[in-house]
Amino acid sequence: NAGVTQTPKFQVLKTGQSMTLQCAQDMNHNSMYWYRQDPGMGLRLIYYSASEGTTDKGEVPNGYNVSRLNKREFSLRLESAAPSQTSVYFCASSEIGGSMVEQFFGPGTRLTVL
Amino acid sequence: KQEVTQIPAALSVPEGENLVLNCSFTDSAIYNLQWFRQDPGKGLTSLLLIQSSQREQTSGRLNASLDKSSGRSTLYIAASQPGDSATYLCAVRRRGRGYSTLTFGKGTMLLVSP
Repeated sequence: NAGVTQTPKFQVLKTGQSMTLQCAQDMNHNSMYWYRQDPGMGLRLIYYSASEGTTDKGEVPNGYNVSRLNKREFSLRLESAAPSQTSVYFCASSEIGGSMVEQFFGPGTRLTVL
Repeated sequence: KQEVTQIPAALSVPEGENLVLNCSFTDSAIYNLQWFRQDPGKGLTSLLLIQSSQREQTSGRLNASLDKSSGRSTLYIAASQPGDSATYLCAVRRRGRGYSTLTFGKGTMLLVSP
């Protein structure tokens, strides 16, 4: 099993450009998440999808959109990139509910917006 | 709003020492607490998950404890090794109305020198 995979690994954009970050999981998990990680700020939730067909805003959703394409795939789109969106982006997945639920993370996408 | 604090922010120890990393959270209504390891430039790897009904979990040289009533968890690393050098993050999953997500601390950066 590959677990959670993310593409691309690195990306450099110019201000105003758009791009989509891709995420896929092969653990048959119902829930998927997008986080960003910035120095001094820790990990912050952007959007999540509790189950296929649903998406909800997290702590920092402005400037982003998401699509839960199917149970396996959850994409994050930046419509008009800004330098403030320079960050490392992590996708994660988990089962729904319960006290035994663990989250599993992908390797991250390092995005620079010039 | 749940807040998670990790102390210390950074720790440097010689090889072989036993050490304790601390995590505190403000809202004791949680499903579980999860400890992660993050190597530089990499994603997060789950180390231990403690359910709210548990007091501790062990995996090899790692032992995590949970005192839900006081809002504290500790990660004990026995006989530290240079390979333990990484950032350690704790995260809590809140219990409450609606779907619950993880809230992360900012991490403790550990350096174990030979």
